[in-house]
Amino acid sequence: NAGVTQTPKFRILKIGQSMTLQCAQDMNHNYMYWYRQDPGMGLKLIYYSVGAGITDKGEVPNGYNVSRSTTEDFPLRLELAAPSQTSVYFCASSSGQSYLMDEQYFGPGTRLTVT
Amino acid sequence: GEDVEQSLFLSVREGDSSVINCTYTDSSSTYLYWYKQEPGAGLQLLTYIFSNMDMKQDQRLTVLLNKKDKHLSLRIADTQTGDSAIYFCAERISGGGADGLTFGKGTHLIIQP
Repeated sequence: NAGVTQTPKFRILKIGQSMTLQCAQDMNHNYMYWYRQDPGMGLKLIYYSVGAGITDKGEVPNGYNVSRSTTEDFPLRLELAAPSQTSVYFCASSSGQSYLMDEQYFGPGTRLTVT
Repeated sequence: GEDVEQSLFLSVREGDSSVINCTYTDSSSTYLYWYKQEPGAGLQLLTYIFSNMDMKQDQRLTVLLNKKDKHLSLRIADTQTGDSAIYFCAERISGGGADGLTFGKGTHLIIQP
């Protein structure tokens, strides 16, 4: 299994540009998450999904959109990039079994710079 | 303020024990986790503890939980250069996975030869 994969690894955007960060998992996990990690900070939850067709906002959703048309894929869309969105973005997935320890598996991250 | 707090740096000599501390604020936390992040990589789950436990040991790792003081610690015995990384404490408040995790800012563990 590849686990959680993310593309691209690095990207530089100009202010106002748009892009989609791709995330895929091959573990048949129900739950998927997008986090951002700013320098010297912990991870903040942007959006999450509990299954195909279902998404919900996390702590810092402004400026982002997500979709979940399949179990495997959970892309994150930035419509009008701003310098405040410069960060490292991590996608994660978990099986979603509520009564067991629900380990989240993380992708390697996408480093995004907006100038 | 932050929901989960950690000191930013810890420096230890190779072979010594490292103790990384964390405090959290929500008494309804169900699981508490320690994640490790090596340079340029994603986070990897190291260990976790359920809130009705006060200690968990896994090889060189010992997790201690003081629910009364909302204090969590991670002890790494015989610290090696490969342990150099950022260690994140995280909590899950609800019983399910849907809410994601709340992370601390991470503790940089620096190993001196």
